[in-house]
Amino acid sequence: QVQLQESGPGLVKPSETLSLTCTVSGGSVTSSSYYWSWIRQPPGKGLEYIGYIYYSGSTSYSPSLKSRVTVSVDTSKNQFSLKLTSVTAADTAVYYCARVREEVGPSNRYYYYMDVWGKGTTVTVSS
Amino acid sequence: DIQMTQSPSSLSASVGDRVTITCRASQSISSYLNWYQQKPGKAPKLLIYAASSLQSGVPSRFSGSGSGTDFTLTISSLQPEDFATYCCQQSYSTPYTFGQGTNLEIK
Repeated sequence: QVQLQESGPGLVKPSETLSLTCTVSGGSVTSSSYYWSWIRQPPGKGLEYIGYIYYSGSTSYSPSLKSRVTVSVDTSKNQFSLKLTSVTAADTAVYYCARVREEVGPSNRYYYYMDVWGKGTTVTVSS
Repeated sequence: DIQMTQSPSSLSASVGDRVTITCRASQSISSYLNWYQQKPGKAPKLLIYAASSLQSGVPSRFSGSGSGTDFTLTISSLQPEDFATYCCQQSYSTPYTFGQGTNLEIK
């Protein structure tokens, strides 16, 4: 059974870089048909997609965060990571990592859905 | 970005009730729609993918329908453990945007 676990600092100063790691257990980040994603949830608000990575290094980022976000993968450690630069108080949130499953659908398009989630880690941006 | 709008934002219901939550996309997304359940302080849990496919292990009282821009999540007979927030997400195109959530409360 695949499990994901986020780790990283819970407090980051404004203008600095937020760095989180997601460790995958019970499965491999190199498994085909799976992507590895980050989602966040500000206090009292809804979920916000940040981006995803495939083990080959192919990435997709939310346009609203693209200039500040980097998602990377370390296959040797079975981990993937998030870096968010120049943070402000608006980046305060619970950050989740999640596995994205790719499943073939009609007309050779693919369904994507987040089927396994980490428990989440709270990151506060404050001086 | 594709905007996802859920209604209602909150809903009060009783155990045993049949409940329907609606999600509308700002453009057609075919059947590329997922539903998640989230309880306070917990990570979201996948319920339905591809608009109507039940995720393994999810009780059959949950069902999804719709295509194009309008989708529904139905709980046929509410159980105590179903009181939570429900959220839709489109996977038609990145960024994979979420609805704002529907808070289902006990009446």
